[in-house]
Amino acid sequence: NAGVTQTPKFRVLKTGQSMTLLCAQDMNHEYMYWYRQDPGMGLRLIHYSVGEGTTAKGEVPDGYNVSRLKKQNFLLGLESAAPSQTSVYFCASRIRSGRQPNNEQFFGPGTRLTVL
Amino acid sequence: AQSVTQPDIHITVSEGASLELRCNYSYGATPYLFWYVQSPGQGLQLLLKYFSGDTLVQGIKGFEAEFKRSQSSFNLRKPSVHWSDAAEYFCAVGPSMYSGGGADGLTFGKGTHLIIQP
Repeated sequence: NAGVTQTPKFRVLKTGQSMTLLCAQDMNHEYMYWYRQDPGMGLRLIHYSVGEGTTAKGEVPDGYNVSRLKKQNFLLGLESAAPSQTSVYFCASRIRSGRQPNNEQFFGPGTRLTVL
Repeated sequence: AQSVTQPDIHITVSEGASLELRCNYSYGATPYLFWYVQSPGQGLQLLLKYFSGDTLVQGIKGFEAEFKRSQSSFNLRKPSVHWSDAAEYFCAVGPSMYSGGGADGLTFGKGTHLIIQP
């Protein structure tokens, strides 16, 4: 049981390049999330998904797109990377509300992205 | 909109001394509350969580936190810190099943950086 995994762990991009971050979970969780962490800002929600084929915007969605084609995977895409997107990206997952009184989110190890 | 305030950006404590990290939240309903710890270059580890019931919750590594509804606070405490406790600590709030649940993500505070003096 690997929990939540993220690929890649590190990446350096040039401005304007594109890339996709992959998040995978093996806990059969319905909900998945992408956050970014910047110094002095804590974690901020980018996008989230409540199930296959459904996504929603979080607090800071601009410049990112997401897809959830399979329940276990949640992809975060940067179509045209900008230096402001230099950050550490965390994926998280949790069970659907109501199945039990516990909405603890389980976090992946993070992806450190630098945009030059 | 919900928010979490961690008033102390940095805290320095001597090894063996007691610790209290402050967290205040603003939320329209009964929230779920969490404390996470992050060591340098690492992911987030859940220290403890509050859902309902006893307002004093115990967590891992000897940490505890007390939920005070009247003060909208969820402060983290430890009676005696160890050098290995040096890390970044985050308080977070999320929707509870008692407030309708929902898929909303967690709202995090900006973190408190804990420094341990020998």
